[in-house]
Amino acid sequence: EIVLTQSPGTLSLSPGERATLSCRASQSVSSNSLVWYQQKPGQAPRLLIYGSSSRATGIPDRFSGAGSGTDFTLTISRLEPEDFAVYYCQQYQYSGLPLTFGGGTKVEIK
Amino acid sequence: QVQLQESGPGLVKPSDTLSLTCTFSGGSINSYYWNWIRQPPGGGLEWIGFCHHSGRTDYNPSLKSRVTMSVDTSKNQFSLNLNSVTTADTAVYYCARWGETSGIKAFDIWGRGTMVTVSS
Repeated sequence: EIVLTQSPGTLSLSPGERATLSCRASQSVSSNSLVWYQQKPGQAPRLLIYGSSSRATGIPDRFSGAGSGTDFTLTISRLEPEDFAVYYCQQYQYSGLPLTFGGGTKVEIK
Repeated sequence: QVQLQESGPGLVKPSDTLSLTCTFSGGSINSYYWNWIRQPPGGGLEWIGFCHHSGRTDYNPSLKSRVTMSVDTSKNQFSLNLNSVTTADTAVYYCARWGETSGIKAFDIWGRGTMVTVSS
């Protein structure tokens, strides 16, 4: 299976700062198969970014995704109070390999 | 408004079968792939598998020997059966829609999740 490694595990930042989250795959992933979700305590994950860089409906433009091959990033340009949460990347390849998630990055208030 | 809602027992005994149902409202269950994902307490997300109204299924190899999923189009529901459960199967179980039919290759709709505890 393709292992997704997210870093850092925890990111401590202040509102207004820029957050850069990394997702590294153990083998090359198709760019249209890399997804980012946000999860707040007690809630289901919410779709943020699909196809590496396309924002889902209703997602503000301070969220952006980029990358290709094995290295992908999620950037939050200016953190708002509601952005402090856990972020997961996820991949799916139509190759018989199972869908997998990264271990998550927690963005916490400094 | 499209919604997913999980239902089923919150407590299952070790070695028994965990059975959950997910009801889709606000649209037809046809044309999409329907998934189960779980999250142990304090842990990350694990994809369990998907089912489709055509009967097609695919499961995570780590769980494949114990999992069965199916779609009931008459009720707009799909289900998960996980047999021979152990305490390691204790988790919040989410149902989710794979949105590729709408051009979104991701889980675009999620249920709120249901906590299942495996304990005697």
